[in-house]
Amino acid sequence: GIQVEQSPPDLILQEGANSTLRCNFSDSVNNLQWFHQNPWGQLINLFYIPSGTKQNGRLSATTVATERYSLLYISSSQTTDSGVYFCAVERDAGGTSYGKLTFGQGTILTVHP
Amino acid sequence: GAGVSQTPSNKVTEKGKYVELRCDPISGHTALYWYRQSLGQGPEFLIYFQGTGAADDSGLPNDRFFAVRPEGSVSTLKIQRTERGDSAVYLCASSLTGQREQFFGPGTRLTVL
Repeated sequence: GIQVEQSPPDLILQEGANSTLRCNFSDSVNNLQWFHQNPWGQLINLFYIPSGTKQNGRLSATTVATERYSLLYISSSQTTDSGVYFCAVERDAGGTSYGKLTFGQGTILTVHP
Repeated sequence: GAGVSQTPSNKVTEKGKYVELRCDPISGHTALYWYRQSLGQGPEFLIYFQGTGAADDSGLPNDRFFAVRPEGSVSTLKIQRTERGDSAVYLCASSLTGQREQFFGPGTRLTVL
């Protein structure tokens, strides 16, 4: 199956700092999503971004599908940004969506005041 | 509108017992997915429904696990003869037909004693 690797595994920041999280994947994809899992376990959708660049407030993401990686940028981090960030992909099976997301191991972000 | 809901939020059972976990998808979403998340890991795919039928059940670990979606809306994940290794958070997600972005519920934390 498709492999998804996220880096770094852990990240500790002071409030106000910027950060970049990376997701590498091993095959062509037709779905890539970034999630934030809050301390209560809820997966919150950040971006649906199989290719291109998107921005939402202090967060932005870029996926370079031809090079099989995606980046999540967090600017001016806040303590509420703490949690686990997951990248998840669906392998491109040639037009038919099978729906199966494969998740990376996540990046644990801790933002200190 | 309302998001994906899951009940119960927590379930504690004894080894060997039968459990049912329920998922109510976002209204109008025809695709429904079940995932399982062990501590410190990313979610892992179990099964995907398109309407009433299971389109992909390749992630079900063994024949003790079964899921149904009889009317194409609510789904129930059924686990027979539970084992301690079944302890995990069970997550449900849904998506609109023709759209790949998945939206997750809050999960059911299953503990098998």
